[in-house]
Amino acid sequence: KQEVTQIPAALSVPEGENLVLNCSFTDSAIYNLQWFRQDPGKGLTSLLLIQSSQREQTSGRLNASLDKSSGRSTLYIAASQPGDSATYLCAVNDMRFGAGTRLTVKP
Amino acid sequence: DGGITQSPKYLFRKEGQNVTLSCEQNLNHDAMYWYRQDPGQGLRLIYYSQIVNDFQKGDIAEGYSVSREKKESFPLTVTSAQKNPTAFYLCASSITSIYGNQPQHFGDGTRLSIL
Repeated sequence: KQEVTQIPAALSVPEGENLVLNCSFTDSAIYNLQWFRQDPGKGLTSLLLIQSSQREQTSGRLNASLDKSSGRSTLYIAASQPGDSATYLCAVNDMRFGAGTRLTVKP
Repeated sequence: DGGITQSPKYLFRKEGQNVTLSCEQNLNHDAMYWYRQDPGQGLRLIYYSQIVNDFQKGDIAEGYSVSREKKESFPLTVTSAQKNPTAFYLCASSITSIYGNQPQHFGDGTRLSIL
């Protein structure tokens, strides 16, 4: 059974810092990996989707990478802003989610 | 605007009662999903449907039931057999693709509590 783990569970950084969120999975037989943002009490918003044939995707200040062989994905956020404060979740094959990393960006 | 609508936003269940959560989408997506989220945890899959009149159990289907009679609707019933139903319930949809290149879209959730 696919297990998805996100470390750290929480992260607090000062505004302007670059940061990396981690996602690991146990079974490399995946067809996609998604990164989502969740604001308190809200649903999830898809940020980036990486297909199994791809190694990375970029959108604005966000960059997600995928290494299937090692079972890892990272979400890189450049020049963090207070508005980036939220919980970030990764999901494998649309159905297996990590517990998320709660990010706080301090002004 | 296209999207997913979940209702109600808050729902309270009495002992022994079945309750139904609504999920409607106007995105013309084939696939729909129901997840449960407990505090500080990720999402766990309850049921999913790839096509009308067909659905499959997820990891925690016990105590729940679904139907998929219309493409745009995927209601979830929390039955009295679900002994710990208090949670945040999220519905999602996506275009079915063999390439795995279609993102999921989520509703804003229904928060269910026990009276």
